[in-house]
Amino acid sequence: EVQLVESGGGLVKPGGSLRLSCAASGFTFSSYSMNWVRQAPGKGLEWVSSISSSSSYIYYADSVKGRFTISRDNAKNSLYLQMNSLRAEDTAVYYCAGSYGYGWFDYWGQGTLVTVSS
Amino acid sequence: EIVMTQSPATLSVSPGERATLSCRASQSVSSNLAWYQQKPGQAPRLLIYGASTRATGIPARFSGSGSGTEFTLTISSLQSEDFAVYYCQQYNNWPPALTFGGGTKVEIK
Repeated sequence: EVQLVESGGGLVKPGGSLRLSCAASGFTFSSYSMNWVRQAPGKGLEWVSSISSSSSYIYYADSVKGRFTISRDNAKNSLYLQMNSLRAEDTAVYYCAGSYGYGWFDYWGQGTLVTVSS
Repeated sequence: EIVMTQSPATLSVSPGERATLSCRASQSVSSNLAWYQQKPGQAPRLLIYGASTRATGIPARFSGSGSGTEFTLTISSLQSEDFAVYYCQQYNNWPPALTFGGGTKVEIK
């Protein structure tokens, strides 16, 4: 059974930092591109960042470019998102999602809530 | 940036009836479109990719059609478990950007 389990969310002050993790199991993690997608409370889905299977290609949404860093460790079947200079508008549930195909999201975790507030 | 617009925002349907959801792209995305279902408190689930290919395990009552700028998700006979929010997502200009529509909520009439 495919499992993606996010962790690391919580309450942080504006300007602060947080590191999210996603532990994968039940599929060949090293063969999948991995992504972060977020959803602000009561809102729709927003793509945040993607990393290719071997970390050769990395992409970010304009809204997080320069502040967030995506990385992965295939030996540990884990995905990460380092979030710096956090803003109130970054408040959202952050989902880890796996992509075997080109551009869509096959598997999703249950999400971790990040709240940016003073 | 390609903007995805879904309509209607809310669709009221009786169980057993057909539901037709629309998604429009601000420019052509060819057939590079996916659909997801999200139930309250849950993660999204992939339903359709390539505009019309059902993902693994998705029931045949879900079907996708369209290309270019106009797309449709049809649920042929709504079951109780189908009441949810549905999102479309384009990946035509990937990389570097992926965009979702605002969602359509399918509720019980």
